Amino acid sequence: EDKVVQSPLSLVVHEGDTVTLNCSYEVTNFRSLLWYKQEKKAPTFLFMLTSSGIEKKSGRLSSILDKKELFSILNITATQTGDSAIYLCAVERGAGGTSYGKLTFGQGTILTVHP
Amino acid sequence: KAGVTQTPRYLIKTRGQQVTLSCSPISGHRSVSWYQQTPGQGLQFLFEYFSETQRNKGNFPGRFSGRQFSNSRSEMNVSTLELGDSALYLCASSPNRVQRTGELFFGEGSRLTVL
Repeated sequence: EDKVVQSPLSLVVHEGDTVTLNCSYEVTNFRSLLWYKQEKKAPTFLFMLTSSGIEKKSGRLSSILDKKELFSILNITATQTGDSAIYLCAVERGAGGTSYGKLTFGQGTILTVHP
Repeated sequence: KAGVTQTPRYLIKTRGQQVTLSCSPISGHRSVSWYQQTPGQGLQFLFEYFSETQRNKGNFPGRFSGRQFSNSRSEMNVSTLELGDSALYLCASSPNRVQRTGELFFGEGSRLTVL
């Protein structure tokens, strides 16, 4: 069964700090790893990393994928209070009946940024 | 473009009752997935529908069912509610590019409380 483990489970920092969130995974026929941000209800998409795209960056957020060691990290630099949220990591299997619509999620990291 | 719309947003039921939740995907998206989110288990995949057909199903009992209509709108039903069914139920849609899940677009969710 596919498995995603995130660490730490929660993190409290002050504005301006840099944080690193970790995600390790085990998945049959890996296709992609995705990061989502969940502030109130709806998770919103941040990055998708695949074999052909192992590093992504958007503003203060960046992510890398290590397919050999089966993990990914999400970095947030110069954190702001608006970064407070649950950060979810998920993996997608290769195409086929058991993959349609299904992402396997980790437990999430609760990030709290204090002013 | 309107996002994924879920109704109702909040509902309270008692054990033994049944509930129906509705989801309208983003216009043009034909794949709809449902997830259950609880503090203990995180986000867990329920099922996925495409062109009115269930293509994939998670490890939930038969009390959980769903369907999709010709306009891609989807409903899920939970019968004989149990206390453990209290959760946030998230619907997600995707354009279903090349038989893959990829990025999912989530709705705000329906918060179900079972008393």
